Amino acid sequence: DQQVKQNSPSLSVQEGRISILNCDYTNSMFDYFLWYKKYPAEGPTFLISISSIKDKNEDGRFTVFLNKSAKHLSLHIVPSQPGDSAVYFCAASVSGAGSYQLTFGKGTKLSVIP
Amino acid sequence: NAGVMQNPRHLVRRRGQEARLRCSPMKGHSHVYWYRQLPEEGLKFMVYLQKENIIDESGMPKERFSAEFPKEGPSILRIQQVVRGDSAAYFCASSPYGRNTEAFFGQGTRLTVV
Repeated sequence: DQQVKQNSPSLSVQEGRISILNCDYTNSMFDYFLWYKKYPAEGPTFLISISSIKDKNEDGRFTVFLNKSAKHLSLHIVPSQPGDSAVYFCAASVSGAGSYQLTFGKGTKLSVIP
Repeated sequence: NAGVMQNPRHLVRRRGQEARLRCSPMKGHSHVYWYRQLPEEGLKFMVYLQKENIIDESGMPKERFSAEFPKEGPSILRIQQVVRGDSAAYFCASSPYGRNTEAFFGQGTRLTVV
């Protein structure tokens, strides 16, 4: 039973355009959400996060939006660059004491075409 | 400041052998997490350890798998009597505090069981 779902296995975007990666979750206890970027043969690298008390968080070219009622979040990358080509994982956690697991989606492979 | 170091990067074992995966956390980090990524899947939480203590092993298979994080030395994930289904990438992450959300990942160990 997947609690974090990334329904698009892949996405191709032209360089300079916006990339939008989507993520849905089912567990209403999740209150902290993260996006990780992963290159082949490397470990995940933290990109950006958002707490459930917010609906938007921005860091440079990366913005994460959270819609709690829809249990949906998205990562926007503007403008997209070829170096952004990687697999992006959405992850969620319950931030209460003792709950230190991250639950990951299956990932979306982003290809930015020069 | 070196990042999270995992070794070996690649490990090949025959069915029935033992696999030992090592993880040295970042300097100053006393919290370690192990995740497993099966082909075409997201990362799945296995175990969370602090020095000399297992805090949460809810993601560990009940048999053949064990983990430790001794007072001195790296954290070890041990898989006894490996089977083909154990073939996966195993990632270790560390954090300075007991919050998984601030964890930094290593490059992973790719285990292949033949």
